[in-house]
Amino acid sequence: AQSVAQPEDQVNVAEGNPLTVKCTYSVSGNPYLFWYVQYPNRGLQFLLKYITGDNLVKGSYGFEAEFNKSQTSFHLKKPSALVSDSALYFCAVRDQYRGSQGNLIFGKGTKLSVKP
Amino acid sequence: KAGVTQTPRYLIKTRGQQVTLSCSPISGHRSVSWYQQTPGQGLQFLFEYFSETQRNKGNFPGRFSGRQFSNSRSEMNVSTLELGDSALYLCASSLGGAGDAPYEQYFGPGTRLTVT
Repeated sequence: AQSVAQPEDQVNVAEGNPLTVKCTYSVSGNPYLFWYVQYPNRGLQFLLKYITGDNLVKGSYGFEAEFNKSQTSFHLKKPSALVSDSALYFCAVRDQYRGSQGNLIFGKGTKLSVKP
Repeated sequence: KAGVTQTPRYLIKTRGQQVTLSCSPISGHRSVSWYQQTPGQGLQFLFEYFSETQRNKGNFPGRFSGRQFSNSRSEMNVSTLELGDSALYLCASSLGGAGDAPYEQYFGPGTRLTVT
């Protein structure tokens, strides 16, 4: 069965410092990986995705993620955190069921807190 | 382009009642997926519709059902509500398609359902 793990419930960083939110996955076959962010009382916003190609994927709002096949990881990173980045971050893997777009398997989420 | 819209945003129902939630996808998107978000279970996939057909289904009881109309708008219905159905129900749309290419999903703000 496919799964996603986000080992940290919360990550605290100071504004201006680099941030990393960790994600590991388990899939059969090639993974399709996604990062989403959720602000309070809002739906999820798409940040970036990895399908194939370069291991470093750039996304919205200055975020990027590094795909590491040997470590089965897809960590989210940002060189300089902003207070406005404080939110709940979800890593997800797309179900390999062919012919379906919809089944994203999400991690439990990591709460990012950026302090001034 | 207008985003994914969901109505109503908030709903309070009593155990045993039924409820219908509505979702309007982004114009041109043909795939609509539904997810349930709770503090305990996180984000869980309910089902996906494409061209008025259910294409994939998660592990939820038959009390949860859905449908999609010819204009891609979707509804989900929950019958015989239980306290445990209290959750944020999120709808997501994507370009979809018959192939396997993993399009990103765009989420609506959700419907907060409270069952008393």
